[in-house]
Amino acid sequence: GIQVEQSPPDLILQEGANSTLRCNFSDSVNNLQWFHQNPWGQLINLFYIPSGTKQNGRLSATTVATERYSLLYISSSQTTDSGVYFCAVNSGNTPLVFGKGTRLSVIA
Amino acid sequence: DGGITQSPKYLFRKEGQNVTLSCEQNLNHDAMYWYRQDPGQGLRLIYYSQIVNDFQKGDIAEGYSVSREKKESFPLTVTSAQKNPTAFYLCASSLSWDQPQHFGDGTRLSIL
Repeated sequence: GIQVEQSPPDLILQEGANSTLRCNFSDSVNNLQWFHQNPWGQLINLFYIPSGTKQNGRLSATTVATERYSLLYISSSQTTDSGVYFCAVNSGNTPLVFGKGTRLSVIA
Repeated sequence: DGGITQSPKYLFRKEGQNVTLSCEQNLNHDAMYWYRQDPGQGLRLIYYSQIVNDFQKGDIAEGYSVSREKKESFPLTVTSAQKNPTAFYLCASSLSWDQPQHFGDGTRLSIL
């Protein structure tokens, strides 16, 4: 089945810093989502982005489908950005497959 | 408000007992899913349903059962055959197979 790798596994930032999270996948996809899991366990949709670029406030994402990767950019990070960021993809009729996540800690 | 409601938030199971986790959505989504998350890990798919009265096993279906008798409801039963049920359980739904999934707030299950 399709493989999803996220990097880095852990990231510590000073408040106000920028960061880039990466998601590599092993096959062509028809769905790619980025999620943020907050410290209470809630999983929040950030982007549905099988290809192209989208922006939402301080967050933006780019998926280069032909090269099988997606990037999540966080600018001017805040302590509320802390948590785990997951990338998930599916291909053809396969269920959504999640990466292991990037754990982000933003320090004031 | 439209959304996905999971209940209860916390659940305790005794040895040999079956327990059922509730998942209800009012988004008119066709597809629904159950995931398990262990501490510090990603999400693993237990069962999914693309349409009413139909469901398929995911990667870790052993010890679990589901039903999909109504479009808005997809309950998960953790049976006594599941020897290590302590985990965080998340339910999701999507308009169709390849559309974005939206998640409920989860149920934390522990063994007494």
